[in-house]
Amino acid sequence: NAGVIQTPRHKVTGKGQEATLWCEPISGHSAVFWYRQTIVQGLEFLTYFRNQAPIDDSGMPKERFSAQMPNQSHSTLKIQSTQPQDSAVYLCASRGQGAEEQYFGPGTRLTVL
Amino acid sequence: GDQVKQSPSALSLQEGTNSALRCNFSIATTTVQWFLQNPRGSLMNLFYLVPGTKENGRLKSTFNSKESYSTLHIRDAQLEDSGTYFCAADNNAGAKLTFGGGTRLTVRP
Repeated sequence: NAGVIQTPRHKVTGKGQEATLWCEPISGHSAVFWYRQTIVQGLEFLTYFRNQAPIDDSGMPKERFSAQMPNQSHSTLKIQSTQPQDSAVYLCASRGQGAEEQYFGPGTRLTVL
Repeated sequence: GDQVKQSPSALSLQEGTNSALRCNFSIATTTVQWFLQNPRGSLMNLFYLVPGTKENGRLKSTFNSKESYSTLHIRDAQLEDSGTYFCAADNNAGAKLTFGGGTRLTVRP
């Protein structure tokens, strides 16, 4: 079991560019969560999918951020027109059906210059 | 406001001593998870709790749902226990986690 896989581990973009972050949940897990961690705001929920369907996106910024889960083996978080304030570590987690514990990936550190 | 208030925010312990971390919840909480974030940033699962107590080695954690708090006790602290500890509340069994602000623990030789 490789755990939750996130790629890339580090990404540097220029202001205004697009960033796509990838997450591969633990095989067989039915729920995928995205969180963001910054020094100022701490760990914040962004959005989550269950059985590939979007369930709760209450933490997603209304503009420029979108998330998809096209199949059970991966989810993407896309940030359009990145801004310096988007710089953060983006964490993906997955949870198995019937089990409530979430397991986290190593995160993607996004730096927007 | 602080839906999950974690204390202390930082803690320095002599190797071999004991201590306790605490989280108070102002949101309805059904389950609690405790994590240790290592210096590389990875969140390692420590405990998943329904109301009650669990123990694993030198760590023991309790979730009291009636009084809306959880504690993590560390016994005989070791250097490798250093890192940032986070509690997180799930208020809808299986949905999003709301995190506390973390406790940065340093264990001194």
